[in-house]
Amino acid sequence: DVKVTQSSRYLVKRTGEKVFLECVQDMDHENMFWYRQDPGLGLRLIYFSYDVKMKEKGDIPEGYSVSREKKERFSLILESASTNQTSMYLCASSLRDTQEQYFGPGTRLTVT
Amino acid sequence: GENVEQHPSTLSVQEGDSAVIKCTYSDSASNYFPWYKQELGKGPQLIIDIRSNVGEKKDQRIAVTLNKTAKHFSLHITETQPEDSAVYFCAASIGIKAAGNKLTFGGGTRVLVKP
Repeated sequence: DVKVTQSSRYLVKRTGEKVFLECVQDMDHENMFWYRQDPGLGLRLIYFSYDVKMKEKGDIPEGYSVSREKKERFSLILESASTNQTSMYLCASSLRDTQEQYFGPGTRLTVT
Repeated sequence: GENVEQHPSTLSVQEGDSAVIKCTYSDSASNYFPWYKQELGKGPQLIIDIRSNVGEKKDQRIAVTLNKTAKHFSLHITETQPEDSAVYFCAASIGIKAAGNKLTFGGGTRVLVKP
């Protein structure tokens, strides 16, 4: 079974803190994605990566950055957390030649 | 870019009844339309998908229909059961491999099946 794991299920941070969200997949997938999920807005793409060290902006990249140093790991970084970044963050991965994405369980981040 | 709208946002049905969720998309170049189910505390999981060269696809109690002309697609769940209670997301993709085969998601539908 494909497994996508995220470092934390729940995280509470203070405004201005630097926050790291980690995602690891064990199926040698080329593509990895970071989404945020908010009620009524669905899943919105923050950043994605189609190869090691490659990254592309999604629909809402402002306030976020990413890092992909190894194929299996994709990190989302909030340089200076703000309250409007309180949300559920979902990581996903997929093979280069397919469109099915496999999701992790999510990290619920609260910024106070 | 692509925009996907999903309706209704919540849907309550009696066990055994049918449930229908509808989505519209804006980009006529989209050619792949998956549906994901998200159970409480879990990430979304693909349950069925359809490509633009097919009008309908069925898998046991779930089916998806696609109308390319009108740019809308629907999920049909028949004989609903309590385990169908979840949030459902539709999505659309142009399917460019070099761009990671990005998906654009709808806003989600929370389905509650009452026993």
